[in-house]
Amino acid sequence: NAGVTQTPKFRILKIGQSMTLQCTQDMNHNYMYWYRQDPGMGLKLIYYSVGAGITDKGEVPNGYNVSRSTTEDFPLRLELAAPSQTSVYFCASSYSTHTGELFFGEGSRLTVL
Amino acid sequence: DAKTTQPPSMDCAEGRAANLPCNHSTISGNEYVYWYRQIHSQGPQYIIHGLKNNETNEMASLIITEDRKSSTLILPHATLRDTAVYYCIVRVGERMNTGNQFYFGTGTSLTVIP
Repeated sequence: NAGVTQTPKFRILKIGQSMTLQCTQDMNHNYMYWYRQDPGMGLKLIYYSVGAGITDKGEVPNGYNVSRSTTEDFPLRLELAAPSQTSVYFCASSYSTHTGELFFGEGSRLTVL
Repeated sequence: DAKTTQPPSMDCAEGRAANLPCNHSTISGNEYVYWYRQIHSQGPQYIIHGLKNNETNEMASLIITEDRKSSTLILPHATLRDTAVYYCIVRVGERMNTGNQFYFGTGTSLTVIP
């Protein structure tokens, strides 16, 4: 199993550009999440999904969109990139709500200039 | 979900036990205590969780006080690879409709010293 795979690992964007961060998991997990982590800070939840076709907002959803057309994939779309979106983005998945074990990807480091 | 308070940083000598405290004085009866750690810039890694009984696994032990207002994560024999940021999170365990929405604070930065 590859676990949770994120691409790209690094990206530089210009202000106003758009891009999609890809996330895929091969563990057949129903639940998937996107977090962002700013330097020296904890992780903040952007969006989450409890299954294919179902998504909902987390703490900091503004400026982002998600979709969940399959169990495996949960892409995060940045529209009109802003310097405030410079961050490291982590995708995670989980099978069971009870055990609480989130499996994280390696992260995608995004810089907006 | 209840808020948690952790010291911002701690040091521990290699080979000694690392005891990481967490205060969660507003915890509710159905809220679990979870611990994750983040090594350097990697994604966080699950360590352990518990409700009111002490728990132990191959990575660590979790000691929860009787009133559940605080807990301690114990790494019995700390190694240099245990240097990381450790997050204590409390939340309701069963949330079928919302998944595991963990809210990470800034955690405790543990440095294991040779």
